[in-house]
Amino acid sequence: AQRVTQPEKLLSVFKGAPVELKCNYSYSGSPELFWYVQYSRQRLQLLLRHISRESIKGFTADLNKGETSFHLKKPFAQEEDSAMYYCALKYGQGAQKLVFGQGTRLTINP
Amino acid sequence: DTGVSQDPRHKITKRGQNVTFRCDPISEHNRLYWYRQTLGQGPEFLTYFQNEAQLEKSRLLSDRFSAERPKGSFSTLEIQRTEQGDSAMYLCASSLETTYEQYFGPGTRLTVT
Repeated sequence: AQRVTQPEKLLSVFKGAPVELKCNYSYSGSPELFWYVQYSRQRLQLLLRHISRESIKGFTADLNKGETSFHLKKPFAQEEDSAMYYCALKYGQGAQKLVFGQGTRLTINP
Repeated sequence: DTGVSQDPRHKITKRGQNVTFRCDPISEHNRLYWYRQTLGQGPEFLTYFQNEAQLEKSRLLSDRFSAERPKGSFSTLEIQRTEQGDSAMYLCASSLETTYEQYFGPGTRLTVT
């Protein structure tokens, strides 16, 4: 069965420090992975997807099929990055059914 | 159209009562999803619609849960005979059939006392 694991519920780093939010997945098919973010008092929104291979707000994520990981990285954290981050895996045929990890609350300290 | 909307935003009900939630998707989106999120967990898929057809239901969706999307626009999620374990945030999302991004609503927080 498909599963997404985010091992860290809480992550705290100082402004300007590098950030890495870990995500591991389990899926027998060809994975399609996403990072969603929820800022304080806002709704859940897409941050990036692995197929795009783009940088959004300075964040990047590389799919590593050998390690079944999709870690989210940013070289220099900013205070506005403080939020809840969810890794998600698309599964099944057709529709975009997503399975989410438990989420990591990222806090950037000034 | 300012995005996906959900109503009500909060609902407190007593165990055994029925509740109904509404979701209005982005107007041109033909896919609509329902998720449930409990404290400390990520959203869990419940069901989805393509236009008015309900194409899949999760095993999480017991017989007490029913969802409709009668005209392919708004959707309702009804929970009958609520239980304390139903307390959660219920999220709705919509998307186009041809794109990957799901747009989420603000959610309805249900508290069963």
